[in-house]
Amino acid sequence: DTGVSQDPRHKITKRGQNVTFRCDPISEHNRLYWYRQTLGQGPEFLTYFQNEAQLEKSRLLSDRFSAERPKGSFSTLEIQRTEQGDSAMYLCASSLGAVSSYEQYFGPGTRLTVT
Amino acid sequence: DAKTTQPPSMDCAEGRAANLPCNHSTISGNEYVYWYRQIHSQGPQYIIHGLKNNETNEMASLIITEDRKSSTLILPHATLRDTAVYYCIVRVGGSNYKLTFGKGTLLTVNP
Repeated sequence: DTGVSQDPRHKITKRGQNVTFRCDPISEHNRLYWYRQTLGQGPEFLTYFQNEAQLEKSRLLSDRFSAERPKGSFSTLEIQRTEQGDSAMYLCASSLGAVSSYEQYFGPGTRLTVT
Repeated sequence: DAKTTQPPSMDCAEGRAANLPCNHSTISGNEYVYWYRQIHSQGPQYIIHGLKNNETNEMASLIITEDRKSSTLILPHATLRDTAVYYCIVRVGGSNYKLTFGKGTLLTVNP
């Protein structure tokens, strides 16, 4: 257990439905990241927050995706009008903002299946 | 960030050293080599990182060649629990931004 938690761990939804995932980072970490991982591939970066500010978004993050970190603590990732191609593991990671801190701590992930 | 090349899979006998290679021939002077691993159905886990000197911690050793174009992660006494996908990542250090993962090496430790 890294101290990063994600909820739910598994989600099955029908195409066209909206889903929301939650990530609770390690409490003193001010940086939070979302990644997506499909079968047989390494994780791909989606977006990144420093405190409550969303500083970078990947081109993978289409208009149907939105992420928030309202008070610089937990974060949510919402997917609207889900498509079968959204089926993947969604990973959250957090890290300290210090220059000397190199490690990102990952949560267990939320596995999304779109039917 | 520089691109890395890793073998898709490797086997190792339990109790023996596992040596995982990584090529990063286009690495820049300010880029670090990081290693993460991902055990099945878990999130990635940081192992070690280095710039140009060899590094060792409680999990592994990292050997970086003098020209920095390749590196080797060494697990000195592999156990069954070390079976995982190992990712070699090259990235500017200290920025703590995104990690760019490749497909990694699936290390299977056999009894």
